[in-house]
Amino acid sequence: DADVTQTPRNRITKTGKRIMLECSQTKGHDRMYWYRQDPGLGLRLIYYSFDVKDINKGEISDGYSVSRQAQAKFSLSLESAIPNQTALYFCATSDTGQGTYGYTFGSGTRLTVV
Amino acid sequence: RKEVEQDPGPFNVPEGATVAFNCTYSNSASQSFFWYRQDCRKEPKLLMSVYSSGNEDGRFTAQLNRASQYISLLIRDSKLSDSATYLCVVNPSDQKVTFGTGTKLQVIP
Repeated sequence: DADVTQTPRNRITKTGKRIMLECSQTKGHDRMYWYRQDPGLGLRLIYYSFDVKDINKGEISDGYSVSRQAQAKFSLSLESAIPNQTALYFCATSDTGQGTYGYTFGSGTRLTVV
Repeated sequence: RKEVEQDPGPFNVPEGATVAFNCTYSNSASQSFFWYRQDCRKEPKLLMSVYSSGNEDGRFTAQLNRASQYISLLIRDSKLSDSATYLCVVNPSDQKVTFGTGTKLQVIP
């Protein structure tokens, strides 16, 4: 099994729909992150969590929410999807420091909003 | 000025060639530096950390130049399997990390 598992791998949804992307990890890391990647823009941080009771906004949190259900689980929700949220979404974990020892990424969720 | 800048490429090099990429960063207080590799439509994977003294891992050498605020990645004896996008990652602090947009490498037979 992968260290960081994201579901679904691919999703097509309609504008206005609520959608949840899920992430679970077996690394035992406290820190979890959600990123989106768009061509030419690189990886941009949406939300991050340093432990179960800690949630922080990243640089592009508008239109998104998250839930840290357990140390191993961190889900991302799009409350009302819009086409410019079409992107590749990655969940990541790190042991300590934002990537001081490197991130482990999930395989990504390719989301298309039509 | 962007926090982290990379030449997007593509760098097209023949097998066996040596190729180098640079990545510049704007925050002089940055503490940690990394190179990640990303294959098309796949997740980024940590290639190597970059230490002040420079470090080498097989055919890959990473260096840090704090005075000029850039890091570099040198790949010797390029293989077809090295074709990927290489992301530079900079930690200005414990609370923040910035990814570059990547440099695409294509190794040609």
